[in-house]
This record gives sequence, structure tokens and C-alpha cells, in this order.
Amino acid sequence: AQSVTQPDIHITVSEGASLELRCNYSYGATPYLFWYVQSPGQGLQLLLKYFSGDTLVQGIKGFEAEFKRSQSSFNLRKPSVHWSDAAEYFCAVMNYGGATNKLIFGTGTLLAVQP
Amino acid sequence: GAVVSQHPSRVICKSGTSVKIECRSLDFQATTMFWYRQFPKKSLMLMATSNEGSKATYEQGVEKDKFLINHASLTLSTLTVTSAHPEDSSFYICSARVAGAGGNEQFFGPGTRLTVL
Repeated sequence: AQSVTQPDIHITVSEGASLELRCNYSYGATPYLFWYVQSPGQGLQLLLKYFSGDTLVQGIKGFEAEFKRSQSSFNLRKPSVHWSDAAEYFCAVMNYGGATNKLIFGTGTLLAVQP
Repeated sequence: GAVVSQHPSRVICKSGTSVKIECRSLDFQATTMFWYRQFPKKSLMLMATSNEGSKATYEQGVEKDKFLINHASLTLSTLTVTSAHPEDSSFYICSARVAGAGGNEQFFGPGTRLTVL
């Protein structure tokens, strides 16, 4: 069965520091991968997605992610974190097939940013 | 573009009553909408997939008679929590998938906070 693992439940970084959020997936075929961000009490906003092609994907708000098939990973990175980046981040894989294309989410990583 | 709205954003109801939550795609047509439930500090759990004009497909463990889903048009899906109980209190989020080819992306609504007293 498809699954997504985000090993880090909670991460704290200093403002201006670099950030990497880890995501590992389990999927039989080439996955469709997503990173979403959720601010408290809000819905999800798509940061970036990978379907095919270049394995380094650029997203909004200065985020990028790299698909590494050999490691079954899709880690999210940002070179310099801003205080407004404090939020919960979810990695997801799409169960592509049939008519539904379900998203399977990881458990999320809560990012705190220190001044 | 690709905006999804939910109404209401917050609702408090008494135990035993029913609550309807609306999910609308404002600027696109969505053949498929999804309903998720999110517990505090937890991930999103897919409850059901709603296809326009047909019955919803429920995930294992989700009571279809308790969580009624109606996808009456290409822009509207509703989730009705029937005979709500305190354990139904949660954050409910819908998403909509763009109709047509290449519809691999889901756009999420802002969520509805349900509190059952």
C-alpha cells in the first residue's frame, strides 16, 4: 500500500537559517508527489509538485524539493527561512490510477521559527 | 484561479443534531471533490470521494449513513454530519479536482471547524 513518512514531527530553526523537511514515500510506480503548507486553522496551500521531468522542483515562497527515486524521498528545502514560514507542512503522494486519484498524506512536520 | 470555498468556517451544534457543510469550486468545474477529516495535530484522513452525479465512495471505516455526501453539481458538494456527537468534533476540509485532462491537482478549501456539544 502507498504510504508517506515524515520522520520529523517538530522542527525549530532560526530565522535566516536553511531548512530541510524530510519525506519518504512508498509507492510501486512513479509517484506524483506534493508538498502542502497549512497555517493554524486554515486549509492547505500547495507549495510545489512533482509529476515527471526535472527532479528538482521549484515552488512558491522560495521553496524547492528534490525527487530522489533511489532513496524514495522528496525532501523540501528553503535556503533562508522567514518567520512567516512557521506552519505545518505535509508531504503527499497521489495514488494515481482509476478515476479518483487519491492523495495520501504524511503525518506532517510542524515548523517553528525562532527570531 | 482554482479557488475552493467552504461554508461555514465554524459551526457549533448540540449533540444529536445534523450539520451541513458546503464545498464550492468558485472558478472551475470539479468532477471530483474529496472530503477529509483532520484531528488536532494529526494528518488529513480521506473520508470519501464525491463524484458529480453519482454516489460517493467512502473510505474504510467511514460510516456512510452518518456522513452524507451529495455532489449535485460540478461546483458544489455537501457533507452532512447526521446525529452529531462530540466525537465528531473535528476540522473538515474539502478539496476539488479540476475536470478534464491533466486533473491531477487538488485545490483545498479553508476548512470547517465543527464542535459538537
